[in-house]
Amino acid sequence: DAGITQSPRHKVTETGTPVTLRCHQTENHRYMYWYRQDPGHGLRLIHYSYGVKDTDKGEVSDGYSVSRSKTEDFLLTLESATSSQTSVYFCAIGTSGGPFTSTDTQYFGPGTRLTVL
Amino acid sequence: RKEVEQDPGPFNVPEGATVAFNCTYSNSASQSFFWYRQDCRKEPKLLMSVYSSGNEDGRFTAQLNRASQYISLLIRDSKLSDSATYLCVVKSPGGYQKVTFGTGTKLQVIP
Repeated sequence: DAGITQSPRHKVTETGTPVTLRCHQTENHRYMYWYRQDPGHGLRLIHYSYGVKDTDKGEVSDGYSVSRSKTEDFLLTLESATSSQTSVYFCAIGTSGGPFTSTDTQYFGPGTRLTVL
Repeated sequence: RKEVEQDPGPFNVPEGATVAFNCTYSNSASQSFFWYRQDCRKEPKLLMSVYSSGNEDGRFTAQLNRASQYISLLIRDSKLSDSATYLCVVKSPGGYQKVTFGTGTKLQVIP
């Protein structure tokens, strides 16, 4: 158990509304990631973080922003939700070696199921 | 060609059977490889890393074939609890752009 929680676990919202998802970890890991998972696609990286206030874009970052003001919390914001952002969102932590190095092993939170109507 | 490809299945096997999945990758510079297990509506969980020399963890054996660019996962003596989707992950040099998750192979173990 990597001590990762996500909130909310389920959310239904309307197009055009802002949405913030929270990822919380208890083990002080430096590296954190947000992914989305959709049918027919592998997990795709949205944003990632090297540390407090240190973030960068991933493969599918358009329409998303992130913030990390504390080591333990990594927030994902959909500024104006669209139906294409209906998905399952997973947060992950990386255990060592820096993001995406060969030694970095990722552990995932339980996910947030978001529906945008 | 996709960077990482998996047969989506489902593989329906009886309890006690041996089953194997492959995951092919296109980038010959790929450096590290993992298998994750994902239960329905749950998060992916690390099953095992895949080492060049192959590695085994109980009933699970992972192997890497660099010449043919695929990794494999062998499950012996299948249990009902092995029913899940198995994701492969391939890392290549180049930062986030080169971490690719497969779409998964679904395994259903039947009583």
